[in-house]
Amino acid sequence: NAGVTQTPKFQVLKTGQSMTLQCAQDMNHEYMSWYRQDPGMGLRLIHYSVGAGITDQGEVPNGYNVSRSTTEDFPLRLLSAAPSQTSVYFCASSYSWTVMNTEAFFGQGTRLTVV
Amino acid sequence: RKEVEQDPGPFNVPEGATVAFNCTYSNSASQSFFWYRQDCRKEPKLLMSVYSSGNEDGRFTAQLNRASQYISLLIRDSKLSDSATYLCVVRKSNYQLIWGAGTKLIIKP
Repeated sequence: NAGVTQTPKFQVLKTGQSMTLQCAQDMNHEYMSWYRQDPGMGLRLIHYSVGAGITDQGEVPNGYNVSRSTTEDFPLRLLSAAPSQTSVYFCASSYSWTVMNTEAFFGQGTRLTVV
Repeated sequence: RKEVEQDPGPFNVPEGATVAFNCTYSNSASQSFFWYRQDCRKEPKLLMSVYSSGNEDGRFTAQLNRASQYISLLIRDSKLSDSATYLCVVRKSNYQLIWGAGTKLIIKP
């Protein structure tokens, strides 16, 4: 059972570079999301998707784009990296938002440093 | 004010003791509630959902007080392996989960 696969695990970028964080799940989950986690703060939602072809902004979307062309994949794109985007990024998936207590399954995280 | 607030700790507790965490939330329309556990440099994992009547899973008991807008987690007979950060999570109606910053628990032998 692969679950949620997130790559890369570590990345160093220079200011202004762009990159894509990959996320794939093999559980046929409808709901997928991207979070960032910073010290002393809770996970903050960047973007989410309730199904293929549907995406929406979360709490901190600026500087990030997403797409959901298939149920399985939900990549996160950093358009022009800034030091403020240094963080740990997590991708998560859930069976369906319509299930009230649906569990969120997480990838292993990406530690991103922007210099 | 943060939507979900937790005491960051750390809570230093001897093995075998009972420890309790509280979490407060500000949105009275919150739909459902969870406790997640996060080990150092790892991803969060679901510990338990929190139901209105309170629920128990082995040594763990979760309670919800909607009137006062807080959630609690009680850990009995704590083990060294319980050392982790415990995250309080609240589901809102707009497809979003709101996460507390977490309470760090250290169990000492």
